[in-house]
Amino acid sequence: QQQVKQSPQSLIVQKGGISIINCAYENTAFDYFPWYQQFPGKGPALLIAIRPDVSEKKEGRFTISFNKSAKQFSLHIMDSQPGDSATYFCAARDPRSRGSSNTGKLIFGQGTTLQVKP
Amino acid sequence: DGGITQSPKYLFRKEGQNVTLSCEQNLNHDAMYWYRQDPGQGLRLIYYSQIVNDFQKGDIAEGYSVSREKKESFPLTVTSAQKNPTAFYLCASGTPMNTEAFFGQGTRLTVV
Repeated sequence: QQQVKQSPQSLIVQKGGISIINCAYENTAFDYFPWYQQFPGKGPALLIAIRPDVSEKKEGRFTISFNKSAKQFSLHIMDSQPGDSATYFCAARDPRSRGSSNTGKLIFGQGTTLQVKP
Repeated sequence: DGGITQSPKYLFRKEGQNVTLSCEQNLNHDAMYWYRQDPGQGLRLIYYSQIVNDFQKGDIAEGYSVSREKKESFPLTVTSAQKNPTAFYLCASGTPMNTEAFFGQGTRLTVV
């Protein structure tokens, strides 16, 4: 059962275009929504994140749009560059935890492979 | 340098053998995770530990085992019971409240 559904699986964009990746979730208990960027042969790294009380967050060319009622969030990459070519993962934090620690866990989407053509 | 160290980077295993993947962190994080990455399937959670001497199964724990004897270390053993172990394995640790996960560089395991 996939708790965070991500689309598309792959995406090809021309240099200077806008890349859009979408994610949807079902569990309303999720309380934090990060995006990770992964280059080939490397581990993912945090790119940008948003909390559900905010509808949009922008950092440079990267913007997260969050629709709480629809339980959807998306990543927009403006002026896409060849160096943005990577795999992108959305994630959601499930705050439920076990034991004395209150760290919760991150649940990832399936990933989107982005290719930006020069 | 602070971070997550996974070793080895590449690992080859014969069918029927157990193999252990190492993961060490010096970020002083309580939470640590093991994910498996296959093409088109994203990151699937194998096991996670939120505190020393405690761990929980993730979505695909069958054929894997872990231990968490020290805060810094969370080794993963891929046993012979794992039917399709060839994959890219990623270890991560989480900040308090898990607002960020820090990943290692991964171990690519191939069964020969």
